[in-house]
Amino acid sequence: GAGVSQSPSNKVTEKGKDVELRCDPISGHTALYWYRQSLGQGLEFLIYFQGNSAPDKSGLPSDRFSAERTGGSVSTLTIQRTQQEDSAVYLCASSFLPGQGFHEQFFGPGTRLTVL
Amino acid sequence: EDQVTQSPEALRLQEGESSSLNCSYTVSGLRGLFWYRQDPGKGPEFLFTLYSAGEEKEKERLKATLTKKESFLHITAPKPEDSATYLCARGIREKLTFGTGTRLTIIP
Repeated sequence: GAGVSQSPSNKVTEKGKDVELRCDPISGHTALYWYRQSLGQGLEFLIYFQGNSAPDKSGLPSDRFSAERTGGSVSTLTIQRTQQEDSAVYLCASSFLPGQGFHEQFFGPGTRLTVL
Repeated sequence: EDQVTQSPEALRLQEGESSSLNCSYTVSGLRGLFWYRQDPGKGPEFLFTLYSAGEEKEKERLKATLTKKESFLHITAPKPEDSATYLCARGIREKLTFGTGTRLTIIP
């Protein structure tokens, strides 16, 4: 079956521009997660969705970052007024029914964002 | 504070030379210890989940074990295709807290 997909795979933008990153989770997975991986750093949690609501946004680094999920499926991570420190690989993951025990998360290939 | 510490940062082994990777974590609220493999330019690939001390899981040349404060990923007779970064993560609430990984290189 299809795994988690993300688009675009690479994005180069200029400082100050807005960007949108997209994630399509595995069909039937109710939970969706965004992480960020900077060079030499571990994966950093950003936000978690259960259905269309986001019970945990604690990892979003600033109010320039926002995310939404529609139809319990596709999610979009938006970064406004991008800064050079936003350059990283943004990873999306999905899992099945985390409310009934902690289930493994399956990751997409990531979007590599470069802010010039 | 949630912490996951992996060691060593990097490990080079000859093909067939067995070894172990370490992951230590803070204990409170543990809801699973996860191992992932990450190849360059790709997202992490799920390997194992461990939930309680004493649990062990195996897959091909890999075996993961869990104690109260540590997990080990044992690699037996590795092959060059086992070269990758191995990530450990603890589950707490609904998110994963990752270590920075061990970069494993298997030399033919």
